Amino acid sequence: GQNIDQPTEMTATEGAIVQINCTYQTSGFNGLFWYQQHAGEAPTFLSYNVLDGLEEKGRFSSFLSRSKGYSYLLLKELQMKDSASYLCAVRPREPMNTGFQKLVFGTGTRLLVSP
Amino acid sequence: GAGVSQSPRYKVAKRGQDVALRCDPISGHVSLFWYQQALGQGPEFLTYFQNEAQLDKSGLPSDRFFAERPEGSVSTLKIQRTQQEDSAVYLCASSFRGQGLSGEKLFFGSGTQLSVL
Repeated sequence: GQNIDQPTEMTATEGAIVQINCTYQTSGFNGLFWYQQHAGEAPTFLSYNVLDGLEEKGRFSSFLSRSKGYSYLLLKELQMKDSASYLCAVRPREPMNTGFQKLVFGTGTRLLVSP
Repeated sequence: GAGVSQSPRYKVAKRGQDVALRCDPISGHVSLFWYQQALGQGPEFLTYFQNEAQLDKSGLPSDRFFAERPEGSVSTLKIQRTQQEDSAVYLCASSFRGQGLSGEKLFFGSGTQLSVL
């Protein structure tokens, strides 16, 4: 089966740094994604990791450890607009004959940034 | 259009009513996915199309749920005899190919919020 865990809710202050953790147990592994979702809106892509290590993109960074089944999303210099849900999603390895790769999502972490 | 478009944005149905939800993927995208997102939860996979072929419908919760993509572009998710537990946001996502390139991301629509009374 597939199991992806992340905290339900986090709070932080504007200008601070926050780390959102994600642990996963899936049938094979073929990449991990982070998406941001504002209330009532579409999830939007933030980052992708398939190899161990840190991927940095502006104020956002994402880390992956495949041996530990662990990832985190790091948000620096928090802004009020960063208040949103952050979804961790894993792409399990699919049988070769299906030819597609769906994403399995965690429940999401709701981040509230206060002034 | 520039993004994935879904309609209607909101749908209120009486229990037992049939509903149809529409998805217009990004032009040229081969792969199309439907997800169901309950309040406070992450999206749950429902079904997948590659062009007009429905390759996986393992996530459809019951035989009341039916999806089609007859010409390989627009897709419709139909729910028959709606129940209260069907209340959720239904998200559509597309990707250019969705296979082979593991880093290929999904582009999501804003979803249809279905409320069954």
